[in-house]
Amino acid sequence: GQQVMQIPQYQHVQEGEDFTTYCNSSTTLSNIQWYKQRPGGHPVFLIQLVKSGEVKKQKRLTFQFGEAKKNSSLHITATQTTDVGTYFCAEAGGGYQKVTFGTGTKLQVIP
Amino acid sequence: NAGVTQTPKFQVLKTGQSMTLQCAQDMNHEYMSWYRQDPGMGLRLIHYSVGAGITDQGEVPNGYNVSRSTTEDFPLRLLSAAPSQTSVYFCASSFYLVGGNTEAFFGQGTRLTVV
Repeated sequence: GQQVMQIPQYQHVQEGEDFTTYCNSSTTLSNIQWYKQRPGGHPVFLIQLVKSGEVKKQKRLTFQFGEAKKNSSLHITATQTTDVGTYFCAEAGGGYQKVTFGTGTKLQVIP
Repeated sequence: NAGVTQTPKFQVLKTGQSMTLQCAQDMNHEYMSWYRQDPGMGLRLIHYSVGAGITDQGEVPNGYNVSRSTTEDFPLRLLSAAPSQTSVYFCASSFYLVGGNTEAFFGQGTRLTVV
């Protein structure tokens, strides 16, 4: 089964509100990747984190990798309707050959 | 640059029929994978390949076969379609760059319905 769990499964927010999705693993992750999938589309790579405690920012998106490398979060500040979609975390394991995805968080932004 | 190309985009099969989903990439990536996406289940790995002639099973391999005769192509075969294989299928390719990102590039997906 899935090794990487994400919460929440669904989230509705008013436009302008913040949003956070969390990714949790029972085992230590070698890295964490985040992808975004727009409705009807395919997953698109956002970022990769490798180091313990690493934090990276992309405009309104902030990505964190936990100190123990067992969890990660994606935070969106002041959501916009263009943020709608499903956000997946993933681990590129096995020498980066196998990308294992979390269950995803579906974000709906209400204008 | 086409990236990852999947065909067909949509397919309806009858139970017991066989078919092949095509996937081709023009980025010279070593690694290619097949995923299926079902509501609430995320993307689950079916099979993957680390290079021509080398394939391995993922999380949900039963009912599917793959082969990798060239770097570019990685077809997925459904041997005898079952309603449980109704899903959206994604092919992805990636490469390993030491110290760099190892992002997976996805095709547009194939929406398969088995009746």
